[in-house]
Amino acid sequence: DTAVSQTPKYLVTQMGNDKSIKCEQNLGHDTMYWYKQDSKKFLKIMFSYNNKELIINETVPNRFSPKSPDKAHLNLHINSLELGDSAVYFCASSSRGTQYFGPGTRLTVL
Amino acid sequence: ELKVEQNPLFLSMQEGKNYTIYCNYSTTSDRLYWYRQDPGKSLESLFVLLSNGAVKQEGRLMASLDTKARLSTLHITAAVHDLSATYFCAPLLDEKLTFGTGTRLTIIP
Repeated sequence: DTAVSQTPKYLVTQMGNDKSIKCEQNLGHDTMYWYKQDSKKFLKIMFSYNNKELIINETVPNRFSPKSPDKAHLNLHINSLELGDSAVYFCASSSRGTQYFGPGTRLTVL
Repeated sequence: ELKVEQNPLFLSMQEGKNYTIYCNYSTTSDRLYWYRQDPGKSLESLFVLLSNGAVKQEGRLMASLDTKARLSTLHITAAVHDLSATYFCAPLLDEKLTFGTGTRLTIIP
């Protein structure tokens, strides 16, 4: 049983396109996160939602828009993709404790 | 803003040897986590350290926390190949994890 799942696993697209990444957790956690890991493996938080409410919004271009339809899901929509958006995006969830990470989505912008 | 530095960034060590990874952070945090990441994989939680002087051990890995020095260490004892991975420390502050730069550990037979 997958605890935190993401789709798709790989995403290859052209500059200027709009794409979405989906995340679901079956752990019953209240809080979900999106992280970006760049080519140098540096990992940085982008957003955090608690019970569908945005609580952390780091300095991220407004082309990135998270959406949480319910507390088990947190999706990431990216408009007008740029080359610099190429990275691995990880979803995570927690309940006031350890964060559990999804398998990651490798986004490549050509 | 919380800053986190790990050293070394890269570490090659022979099987059977001991070594320590260091994690320094700039401001007081609520707790500190260590994660492991295998190439192309997700992050796996190893330890959470809750208070000053905390020590946790799992197999050949032992993590400790000195909140006064704002320092955490991850000690590897008698390394084996299976421990090859990238290790991240991540202090938690205001419900936000700030990850260190990571230490890429390679165990050489």
